[in-house]
Amino acid sequence: KAGVTQTPRYLIKTRGQQVTLSCSPISGHRSVSWYQQTPGQGLQFLFEYFSETQRNKGNFPGRFSGRQFSNSRSEMNVSTLELGDSALYLCASSLKAAGSTEAFFGQGTRLTVV
Amino acid sequence: AQTVTQSQPEMSVQEAETVTLSCTYDTSESDYYLFWYKQPPSRQMILVIRQEAYKQQNATENRFSVNFQKAAKSFSLKISDSQLGDAAMYFCAYRSAGAGSYQLTFGKGTKLSVIP
Repeated sequence: KAGVTQTPRYLIKTRGQQVTLSCSPISGHRSVSWYQQTPGQGLQFLFEYFSETQRNKGNFPGRFSGRQFSNSRSEMNVSTLELGDSALYLCASSLKAAGSTEAFFGQGTRLTVV
Repeated sequence: AQTVTQSQPEMSVQEAETVTLSCTYDTSESDYYLFWYKQPPSRQMILVIRQEAYKQQNATENRFSVNFQKAAKSFSLKISDSQLGDAAMYFCAYRSAGAGSYQLTFGKGTKLSVIP
């Protein structure tokens, strides 16, 4: 069974550009969450999607957005990139069913803004 | 809002010895889940162990066990017979059991080094 796949693994962008990151969850998983990981702030929740609907959103500016497709794949977009957006972006998928408690993570996308 | 605190930024242990990582959390909820995740240099977050708050019995997974003290809001991880492959960042995480959300709140992490 394939795990959570995030693409690309590495990305370098220039300040002011925009970027789209992709996450393919484990087959059958319908819930996808995104997290930003930085040395200073640690792991912070960005948003959660289930059945193509955003169910939860963290405390991030509107430049951060996301969506989920009918096949449960998810994308997140960051517009007008700032140097502070440099981070590891992690995606996690969950089964979202009774008795299911855990989230499975991908290997992340390392975004560097220069 | 829930908070998770890991007071030990770094710890080290001799190979084959036992080490305990600390975690405390703050919540007003009565039903929730607690997790320990491991993040090796490969960056992939791997679930080590989980605990349901309604269960009094401490969870155990092979060499990993927890000491869950609900009243004290404490959730420590004990690693027995430490191995070189245990070297990683360890994150304690909280998830509410209600509202169907899988949102996790993480601590800042503890970097564990294993000395051969």
